[in-house]
Amino acid sequence: SQELEQSPQSLIVQEGKNLTINCTSSKTLYGLYWYKQKYGEGLIFLMMLQKGGEEKSHEKITAKLDEKKQQSSLHITASQPSHAGIYLCGADDNQGGKLIFGQGTELSVKP
Amino acid sequence: SAVISQKPSRDICQRGTSLTIQCQVDSQVTMMFWYRQQPGQSLTLIATANQGSEATYESGFVIDKFPISRPNLTFSTLTVSNMSPEDSSIYLCSVGGLSTEAFFGQGTRLTVV
Repeated sequence: SQELEQSPQSLIVQEGKNLTINCTSSKTLYGLYWYKQKYGEGLIFLMMLQKGGEEKSHEKITAKLDEKKQQSSLHITASQPSHAGIYLCGADDNQGGKLIFGQGTELSVKP
Repeated sequence: SAVISQKPSRDICQRGTSLTIQCQVDSQVTMMFWYRQQPGQSLTLIATANQGSEATYESGFVIDKFPISRPNLTFSTLTVSNMSPEDSSIYLCSVGGLSTEAFFGQGTRLTVV
């Protein structure tokens, strides 16, 4: 079965600094999703990547999928306290739309 | 994008009782998914709910414990039955996937005492 590994598990950065979160899959990714979760709440959809080499950006967040489609990165530029939360990557397992998830990366941004 | 309304947003329940969680989508969807997120953990799929057929459960989840209804293409319920403290989790419904964007409800935070 497919597994997703996220790194780092937690991250504390100073406001204004850039950061990167990685998500590595044990198998080829058919679709890679990035979400943000505030503590105890639902998931906020950030981006979906499908094609090898694809890159998408929204505001200060950029996500990339490598050419081999086994690794994705999420990059935040000039971090702000509003970026704090748990970032989750999810993969479409190509079996009916269900997603499997990495263990999450907890981001704290110090003012 | 799909807008998903989930309720209740949170509840505190006595052990041995049951709670039904509702999920309403603003558009018709073929499949809806129910996930569980235990404290400090990532999301685990409970089951896939298709309209007009029985839900498909993942390994470790059974219908008697988590009965699901899917009466139409915009609505589903998940019941957590005979609850114990180990059922304390966030429960989330989702739509999408299969090479399309996948969206989640705001979650139901359940505490069993």
